[in-house]
Amino acid sequence: EDQLVESGGGVVQPGGSLRLSCVVSGFSFRRYWMYWVRQAPGKGLAWVSHVNSDGSSTTYADSVKGRFTISRDHARNTVYLQMHSLRGEDTAVYYCARGGEQGSMDVWGQGTTVTVSS
Amino acid sequence: EIFLAQSPGTLSLSPGERATLSCRASQRVPRDYLAWYQHRPGQAPRLLLYGVSNRATGIPDRFSGSGSGSGTDFTLTISKLEPEDFAVYYCQHYGDTPPVTFGPGTKVEIQ
Repeated sequence: EDQLVESGGGVVQPGGSLRLSCVVSGFSFRRYWMYWVRQAPGKGLAWVSHVNSDGSSTTYADSVKGRFTISRDHARNTVYLQMHSLRGEDTAVYYCARGGEQGSMDVWGQGTTVTVSS
Repeated sequence: EIFLAQSPGTLSLSPGERATLSCRASQRVPRDYLAWYQHRPGQAPRLLLYGVSNRATGIPDRFSGSGSGSGTDFTLTISKLEPEDFAVYYCQHYGDTPPVTFGPGTKVEIQ
C-alpha cells in the first residue's frame, strides 16, 4: 500500500523553526514529485511547495518563499520541509502528497499540525 | 495567474440525491490539468478525478467530471449521494505561476 506519514509538527513561538518530515513507503519514491500542502484553521487547502523527482528543482508559494525549504532524501525515502521565521499565519495542518497524473496529487498523508503561538 | 472559483459554497442535499459542483477558472486551463479532491474532517484529502474527467484508483463511478469547450468551466457530479460523500470538495489546477492553485471548496452537507 502506498503510504505517506508526516511528523515533526508542534507548537513553536513566532520567529521559531521546525522541520517536518514525510516518510513514504509502498512505492518507488525517487520516481515521483512530492508536495507540501497546508490547511489553516477554518480555511481551505493551500499549496506550499513541491520538489521534482530527483530533487534538482524546488518551487514555493510566495507566502513561504525565503523562509521554507523543501528537500528529499532518497536513502531515507523522506521528504522534508524546513520552516524558519514562522508566523502566526503559518499555523495549519501540513500535508505531504505525491505527485500524480496531469498535475494532480494522488496519495496524501494524514497531516501534522503546526501551531505558531507565543 | 489562474484563479479558481467554486460554487455553490455549500450544497445541502439528502442521501440518494444528485450533487453538481462547479469550478470556474479565470482563464483557460491548459492541458486539462484540473483535478478534484474530497476532504472529510480529520482525514487526508483524497484525489477523485484528474485531467478533468479521469477517475483516480478506487474511486466509484458515481463520481464523474466534465469540462466545457471554453476550458474554463468544470463540473464534478456525484450521481447518488452516499452517507460518506458528505464532505468538502476542492478543484485544483496545475499551471505556471503559481504552479498549484486550489479553489475555495464546496461543502456538501446533509439536508
